[in-house]
Amino acid sequence: QAVLTQPSSLSASPGASASLTCTLRSGINVGFYRIVWYQQKPGSPPQYLLRYNSYSDKQEGSGVPSRFSGSKDASANAGILLISGLQSEDEADYYCMMWHSGALVFGGGTKLTVL
Amino acid sequence: QVQLVQSGAEVKKPGASVKVSCKASGYTFVSYGISWVRQAPGQGLEWMGWISAYNGNTIYAQKIQGRVTMTTDTSTSTAYMELRSLRSDDTAVYYCGRDDITAPEGSEYWGQGTLVTVSS
Repeated sequence: QAVLTQPSSLSASPGASASLTCTLRSGINVGFYRIVWYQQKPGSPPQYLLRYNSYSDKQEGSGVPSRFSGSKDASANAGILLISGLQSEDEADYYCMMWHSGALVFGGGTKLTVL
Repeated sequence: QVQLVQSGAEVKKPGASVKVSCKASGYTFVSYGISWVRQAPGQGLEWMGWISAYNGNTIYAQKIQGRVTMTTDTSTSTAYMELRSLRSDDTAVYYCGRDDITAPEGSEYWGQGTLVTVSS
């Protein structure tokens, strides 16, 4: 079982909100980990969005719109990327990442379609 | 502004080696580390390893340890990633990213990517 699991795809309408999940493998407690989120568009390198550990320990990337925010869902053992007021330009692949057992680990990515 | 400029695309035969460079500018090179990430065609991101530009400490992903060497040249603010014994599944776009000085935490700034194609 992968360390980080993301749904392969998600669709949402312009103006709506999208909640992208990053579920940690059973036995790995999300409460102890800082989750980093990236956006990637075709043919481009990943763009850093934010990192989230807790309300008091978080950092947004420079120039990243405030529509992007992070959180955790302890009951689901997951990191969450919330995108509010969806715009067509938000259509992209989104990856979560964290440090675990001596390595940086990426989730498989979620393809977000805005339609 | 922070910039990372990578070397150009490479085509290699199986069993060969490739060395990708990543020239940094716009910040103090030795105050940060460099992480390397790759992305096979149509696939997700895979972290390869990290090097501290301050002291040369490295951490490599277990999957490629033994085939990869990451180095830096502080005189030119350039990081290098060499991958040996290339296989077809090493075909990917390779990215360098500025990372933390003491341990990898995730990169906020990235190079443009270098396509490495391994084919006979």
